[in-house]
Amino acid sequence: DVKVTQSSRYLVKRTGEKVFLECVQDMDHENMFWYRQDPGLGLRLIYFSYDVKMKEKGDIPEGYSVSREKKERFSLILESASTNQTSMYLCASSLWSLATNEKLFFGSGTQLSVL
Amino acid sequence: AQTVTQSQPEMSVQEAETVTLSCTYDTSESDYYLFWYKQPPSRQMILVIRQEAYKQQNATENRFSVNFQKAAKSFSLKISDSQLGDAAMYFCANYDTGKLIFGQGTTLQVKP
Repeated sequence: DVKVTQSSRYLVKRTGEKVFLECVQDMDHENMFWYRQDPGLGLRLIYFSYDVKMKEKGDIPEGYSVSREKKERFSLILESASTNQTSMYLCASSLWSLATNEKLFFGSGTQLSVL
Repeated sequence: AQTVTQSQPEMSVQEAETVTLSCTYDTSESDYYLFWYKQPPSRQMILVIRQEAYKQQNATENRFSVNFQKAAKSFSLKISDSQLGDAAMYFCANYDTGKLIFGQGTTLQVKP
């Protein structure tokens, strides 16, 4: 069965800490995405990647960076966590473009609290 | 810019009744794709239905159907014979130029 795994379901960090959110997919998917979900704002795209070592900015990349050294792993990095980055983070992946009737597979989310 | 707007933060429906969730979008592309996703309390996102913009026929999946009005850039979701398991947050989304952009979400409550 298809699987997108996010390393933590809940995470509590201090302001100023460097935070790594890990996402691993076991489907050999080309595309991977990071979203954050906030009440009243829905899901907003932070970064996405079409291939290893490639990354593209989404709509809200400020304060975040990403790393994709291996095809199956896409990491979201908060260089210096701030309280306004408290949110739920969702990772997703797809084999090809969603225009080809491909599905987007989501992880279960990481609820990050920055204190 | 690509945008998706859901103007109903919350909706409720009686079990077995029909409910319609609204969505409008904006895109400069002529070729794009629209989706409705369901997010239950488990947080797992589930694809409900998909519509290709070049198809005039409205998509249907069992009790779920859409009303796609391309000129008005409107894409509403109709849930017929609502069930308790339909209670969730529903997101409308638009895919073009490689990005899937979501709306703000609508929380659907189903009353027994």
